[in-house]
Amino acid sequence: KQEVTQIPAALSVPEGENLVLNCSFTDSAIYNLQWFRQDPGKGLTSLLLIQSSQREQTSGRLNASLDKSSGRSTLYIAASQPGDSATYLCAVRPLGNAGNMLTFGGGTRLMVKP
Amino acid sequence: GAGVSQSPRYKVTKRGQDVALRCDPISGHVSLYWYRQALGQGPEFLTYFNYEAQQDKSGLPNDRFSAERPEGSISTLTIQRTEQRDSAMYRCASSFSAGGPYNEQFFGPGTRLTVL
Repeated sequence: KQEVTQIPAALSVPEGENLVLNCSFTDSAIYNLQWFRQDPGKGLTSLLLIQSSQREQTSGRLNASLDKSSGRSTLYIAASQPGDSATYLCAVRPLGNAGNMLTFGGGTRLMVKP
Repeated sequence: GAGVSQSPRYKVTKRGQDVALRCDPISGHVSLYWYRQALGQGPEFLTYFNYEAQQDKSGLPNDRFSAERPEGSISTLTIQRTEQRDSAMYRCASSFSAGGPYNEQFFGPGTRLTVL
């Protein structure tokens, strides 16, 4: 059974810092990996989707990397801002006939202080 | 609509009552997914549909939970004889295609269920 772990569970940084969020998964047989942002009272917003054949994806100040063989992904946030405060979730989609469901990690709660 | 919508956004019910949660996916999306998210945890898969067919319901915790999507669009998740442990955020997502590596899921705002 696929298990996804995110470290740290919570993180507080001053504005302007660069930071890295970690995600690990136990089964490397995946289609892709997604990073989501979760804000209170709102749905999950997809930030980046990395296909299993890719090594990284970039969007603005965000960069996500994927090392499928070692079962790891990182989300790098450059020059953090208070508006980045949210919970960040990673999720993997399995290969084969397991269906299209996503397996999520527990999330990292990020607080960026002005 | 522009995105996935869910109703109600908040539901408070008494133990033993039945509840029905509704999901309206993005127009034209083939696949629809239900997840449940406990406080402080990531969402967990419940079930999913391709068109009107329920493809996988392995995540439904017990037979009090059921879901349907009779016309391949709107879906309803029903919980019978609710218990306090059913309290959670119930999230719905939809995707354009039924499979393939580029299948991206778009999530609705969720329904917060509280069972007293």
